[in-house]
Amino acid sequence: DVVMTQSPLSLPVTLGQPASISCRSSQSLVYSDGNTYLNWFQQRPGQSPRRLIYRVSNRDSGVPDRFSGSGSGTDFTLKISRVEAEDVGVYYCMQATHWPPTFGQGTKLEIK
Amino acid sequence: EVQLVESGGGLVQPGGSLRLSCAASGFTFSSCNMNWVRQAPGKGLEWLSYVSSSSSIIHYADSVKGRFTISRNNVKDSLYLQMNSLRDEDTAVYYCVTSSGYAAAFDIWGQGTMVTVSS
Repeated sequence: DVVMTQSPLSLPVTLGQPASISCRSSQSLVYSDGNTYLNWFQQRPGQSPRRLIYRVSNRDSGVPDRFSGSGSGTDFTLKISRVEAEDVGVYYCMQATHWPPTFGQGTKLEIK
Repeated sequence: EVQLVESGGGLVQPGGSLRLSCAASGFTFSSCNMNWVRQAPGKGLEWLSYVSSSSSIIHYADSVKGRFTISRNNVKDSLYLQMNSLRDEDTAVYYCVTSSGYAAAFDIWGQGTMVTVSS
């Protein structure tokens, strides 16, 4: 199975400051159709996960533009340009290029 | 409004069985691939099973293969997970998740249903 490794696992951030989460895969996530099936999810406390970003860099409808995704191959990043209080929660990357789909361990974002 | 509502969770003894259901509304369920994903208490996310829109393609995680069965009823707009031979480590919140348009989407998540396996 493809191993997804996130860092850091804990991310204390001051309100209004940027935040960045790294996600690395144990093998390339480029599929034979040329797409890279790497998603990012946000899970607020007590809620279900919500997809933020699909195929590396595409923001879902309703997701604030302070969230952005980038990367290629095996290295990916989720960035928040200015953290707001509502961004508190756990962030997961997930690959679905290779079966079975696998998730990173999660990064807990908290406000300093 | 797109909605997924899971039900059927509860307390079951080790070795027992449960059937989870997921009722879909607000979208064309019959066109949508579906997944089950679970989350043990305080832990991360684990994909369990996938079924294509027509049920022609089904996948399972090794951890549940041979014990869990995914199915769907496109007339009733419902997804199911039959869970047999339950173990303590199956204790988790179980989410149904759409994969609209392509298998890797994982775009819409239900609110989850809690399954507790304990004697």
